Amino acid sequence: DQQVKQNSPSLSVQEGRISILNCDYTNSMFDYFLWYKKYPAEGPTFLISISSIKDKNEDGRFTVFLNKSAKHLSLHIVPSQPGDSAVYFCAASAFGNKLVFGAGTILRVKS
Amino acid sequence: DAGVIQSPRHEVTEMGQEVTLRCKPISGHDYLFWYRQTMMRGLELLIYFNNNVPIDDSGMPEDRFSAKMPNASFSTLKIQPSEPRDSAVYFCASSSRRATEAFFGQGTRLTVV
Repeated sequence: DQQVKQNSPSLSVQEGRISILNCDYTNSMFDYFLWYKKYPAEGPTFLISISSIKDKNEDGRFTVFLNKSAKHLSLHIVPSQPGDSAVYFCAASAFGNKLVFGAGTILRVKS
Repeated sequence: DAGVIQSPRHEVTEMGQEVTLRCKPISGHDYLFWYRQTMMRGLELLIYFNNNVPIDDSGMPEDRFSAKMPNASFSTLKIQPSEPRDSAVYFCASSSRRATEAFFGQGTRLTVV
């Protein structure tokens, strides 16, 4: 049973436009959510996180939105750059315990 | 700090052979995680340790898989005997604050033929 779902395997966006990556979860006990970025032949690297007590967190070009009632979060990248092309993983944890990851979304930013 | 170090980076082995993957976590991190990445299932948590003690191994797929952490600076993941369906990228990660913001190694790409 996948508790964290990223239903879009891939996304293609033009440079300068907004990239929106989506993630849904089923476990209502999750209280902390993270996005990781992964380049080929490298390990995932932490990008941005949000606690369940917030509905938005912003860090430069990256903003994460959390909709608890819909059990949905999204990552917005504005403006998108070619260097943002990577696999993006959504992850969640409950009470500081193990991270549960989604299957990932491949983002391609075209120049 | 050099980050989480995994070895080997690539491993090709024949079915039935024993495979040992190694990990050195970031110094001072109390949590160590082993993940497996496949196309179908994404990143799956296999097992994690806190202060060298295994806390949750519910993700370990079968008895063929075992993991140890003999000290704070070293962990192994062993597969014996290996099977072609074990082919994947295996990541080790460490964290200082439970599961939040874990730092990942570069992974070991395992191919079992």
